[in-house]
Amino acid sequence: AQSVTQLGSHVSVSEGALVLLRCNYSSSVPPYLFWYVQYPNQGLQLLLKYTSAATLVKGINGFEAEFKKSETSFHLTKPSAHMSDAAEYFCAVSDLNNAGNMLTFGGGTRLMVKP
Amino acid sequence: GAVVSQHPSWVICKSGTSVKIECRSLDFQATTMFWYRQFPKQSLMLMATSNEGSKATYEQGVEKDKFLINHASLTLSTLTVTSAHPEDSSFYICSAWPDSGPQYFGPGTRLLVL
Repeated sequence: AQSVTQLGSHVSVSEGALVLLRCNYSSSVPPYLFWYVQYPNQGLQLLLKYTSAATLVKGINGFEAEFKKSETSFHLTKPSAHMSDAAEYFCAVSDLNNAGNMLTFGGGTRLMVKP
Repeated sequence: GAVVSQHPSWVICKSGTSVKIECRSLDFQATTMFWYRQFPKQSLMLMATSNEGSKATYEQGVEKDKFLINHASLTLSTLTVTSAHPEDSSFYICSAWPDSGPQYFGPGTRLLVL
């Protein structure tokens, strides 16, 4: 069984400040890990994914995440927050051996950016 | 590339009616499509996995007779909410998986049952 925990349902940062959204996973097999962003009343957009290649993954919009097996973490960061980054962010895990690529989502973190 | 559409984007219906939601992969074929449900301020919950040409696989607690899924082609899956009730009001999101790489998500369909 797989699970994902996102610490902090709400994170508030000032514009220009560092963004750090936490994600810890549990998986009995090597995982694929994903970060998705959801803007209000919209579907999910893939930010980045880890698929057992480089542990530091760069995504769109200046986001990146680092896979740390020893900590079972995949935290999402961005050096400088923009107002447009305000959205809901979801971390998800999938089983490398699962042909259907089923995703298990974390509870989500709402990022608020203050001017 | 890898665009997934959903239709309709919004639907309001009376209690007891049935509502059909379409999910289309516009520029790729998807043997597998997924249907999720998202309540306000909550995460996505997988409802079912839709496989082209075969019966859908439902997650525990999801009524297959209430949420009918049809995946008749490699680019189209439909979710029909039968005899909808107010508690079925939610945001329904589909995704399509092109047999490798990540799932691609549709924009979602917001259902309001009066």
